[in-house]
Amino acid sequence: AQSVSQHNHHVILSEAASLELGCNYSYGGTVNLFWYVQYPGQHLQLLLKYFSGDPLVKGIKGFEAEFIKSKFSFNLRKPSVQWSDTAEYFCAVNPPRDAGNMLTFGGGTRLMVKP
Amino acid sequence: DTGVSQDPRHKITKRGQNVTFRCDPISEHNRLYWYRQTLGQGPEFLTYFQNEAQLEKSRLLSDRFSAERPKGSFSTLEIQRTEQGDSAMYLCASSVTVGNTIYFGEGSWLTVV
Repeated sequence: AQSVSQHNHHVILSEAASLELGCNYSYGGTVNLFWYVQYPGQHLQLLLKYFSGDPLVKGIKGFEAEFIKSKFSFNLRKPSVQWSDTAEYFCAVNPPRDAGNMLTFGGGTRLMVKP
Repeated sequence: DTGVSQDPRHKITKRGQNVTFRCDPISEHNRLYWYRQTLGQGPEFLTYFQNEAQLEKSRLLSDRFSAERPKGSFSTLEIQRTEQGDSAMYLCASSVTVGNTIYFGEGSWLTVV
């Protein structure tokens, strides 16, 4: 089955540590890729998205993600995390030939940043 | 705040009862989406509308689930004869069109007892 996999379910880091969250998808063809974040008690918010062009995408709050087509991956990175980055992070894919923005989400990664 | 709003935010219902959730999208967003999220999982797509037309509904979980967007503005999601397995958060989202950012609401929590 077509899917989106996030390998790390829980990540605990200290402030200033570097972050990399993995995301792999199993769709062939052209896909649109997204990372969403959900802070405690808040709604899902878009961090960044990739549709085409430069495979290194920069988003809000210092986050970036790299699309590696050969690896079917779209990993999220941040060089130095802050306590306020504590949240759940979701990778999502818009499958090929989908005209409806029907996103398929990964299972999420809970990040806890210790002050 | 003029984001996507959902009502009610929390609903506790007895098994077998019907429930309805309402979503008000961002003004002038012609696409509206419904997702479901269970604990420990990512959101799961259910259905979407382009204005008042429901363009995809094959992923609604069963025939107990239905959605409407009668005037192309707000939408309702109804679950008939609720079951305990329906307990989840129901998310609404909207966007201008394909390729644009999808904005999510805060969700409506359903607990079926």
